[in-house]
Amino acid sequence: EPEVTQTPSHQVTQMGQEVILRCVPISNHLYFYWYRQILGQKVEFLVSFYNNEISEKSEIFDDQFSVERPDGSNFTLKIRSTKLEDSAMYFCASSVTGYGYTFGSGTRLTVV
Amino acid sequence: SQQGEEDPQALSIQEGENATMNCSYKTSINNLQWYRQNSGRGLVHLILIRSNEREKHSGRLRVTLDTSKKSSSLLITASRAADTASYFCATVTSYDKVIFGPGTSLSVIP
Repeated sequence: EPEVTQTPSHQVTQMGQEVILRCVPISNHLYFYWYRQILGQKVEFLVSFYNNEISEKSEIFDDQFSVERPDGSNFTLKIRSTKLEDSAMYFCASSVTGYGYTFGSGTRLTVV
Repeated sequence: SQQGEEDPQALSIQEGENATMNCSYKTSINNLQWYRQNSGRGLVHLILIRSNEREKHSGRLRVTLDTSKKSSSLLITASRAADTASYFCATVTSYDKVIFGPGTSLSVIP
């Protein structure tokens, strides 16, 4: 069964450093998403991406965040200057239709 | 505003019993999905029910949807210790995003 692949599974970074989280969506999917889950809390929407541009973003997705689909297969989330409160599990998801989603297994980001 | 709210927040049952989790939401939806998450792990999609469907089954899972009451329920029959996890309902109103509820933590005691 096709999967959404996320790398790395766990990343530790120093506060203030830039971090890039990588995702390989399912190949024929057209819609791409990032979500995050702070430990013990609910899963929160960050951003959706369609037709090579952001279609919607949440209040969390401020100027420190950016997304890119650099080569037609990868979908990345960049955090420019990480803060302690960015520590969370980050999930990538993709969809063919925009209504049914496949999630990756997540990247646990720890900012120290 | 919170779109999906699960009830109860936590549920503890004996192995073999049935577990029922409920979800309420506020606005019209295209579909509603249930996910499972083992502690510290990824989200596993369980089942999707469209707004024009009332009930759906998948193995030991049964999901109902009542759009007039804006509510859904997930029933896990004959529970097993391996069913211990958090269960989230997630509503989809547009193609832009799915909104998760806070989840129900299910403990199945062997």
